[in-house]
Amino acid sequence: ELKVEQNPLFLSMQEGKNYTIYCNYSTTSDRLYWYRQDPGKSLESLFVLLSNGAVKQEGRLMASLDTKARLSTLHITAAVHDLSATYFCAVGQGAQKLVFGQGTRLTINP
Amino acid sequence: DGGITQSPKYLFRKEGQNVTLSCEQNLNHDAMYWYRQDPGQGLRLIYYSQIVNDFQKGDIAEGYSVSREKKESFPLTVTSAQKNPTAFYLCASSRGGYTFGSGTRLTVV
Repeated sequence: ELKVEQNPLFLSMQEGKNYTIYCNYSTTSDRLYWYRQDPGKSLESLFVLLSNGAVKQEGRLMASLDTKARLSTLHITAAVHDLSATYFCAVGQGAQKLVFGQGTRLTINP
Repeated sequence: DGGITQSPKYLFRKEGQNVTLSCEQNLNHDAMYWYRQDPGQGLRLIYYSQIVNDFQKGDIAEGYSVSREKKESFPLTVTSAQKNPTAFYLCASSRGGYTFGSGTRLTVV
């Protein structure tokens, strides 16, 4: 059974600082996704990672994937308040299913 | 514009009542999904469908039912057998990537 674990689950940081969210998964998969969710809202797709060593960047967010270690990271550079949200990783299982991590609630303080 | 429409946005259910959540997509995606999200938690898969007239149970299907009579539509019924239905329900569709609807917040009154 595929299990996906994120850490930390809660993260409070100051603007301008850097930090990393980790996503570990238990069985082999060929795709990993990162999503952002604002309170009471749906999920916004951030990144899709499909191969070992994949790295994608959008603004202050950068995601990477190490399929051998079954680990993905979401790195935040010089955080700004607008990045406050809950971030989820999700790992593909079989042809179509996704298994989600618990989410990391990120709060960025001025 | 293509997308997924969920309705209603808020839904209140009385004890012992069945309610149906609507999910419609115009993306021409074959696969559709229903997820449940409880406060402070990740999403858990209820049901999914990869083609019309076929669907499979996810991890928490008990107390729920679905149908897939049209490619565009995948309604979810929360039955009276679901003892703790209060949650945020998200519908998604995919063809490669995933697109999520805006969600329905269901509350038991």
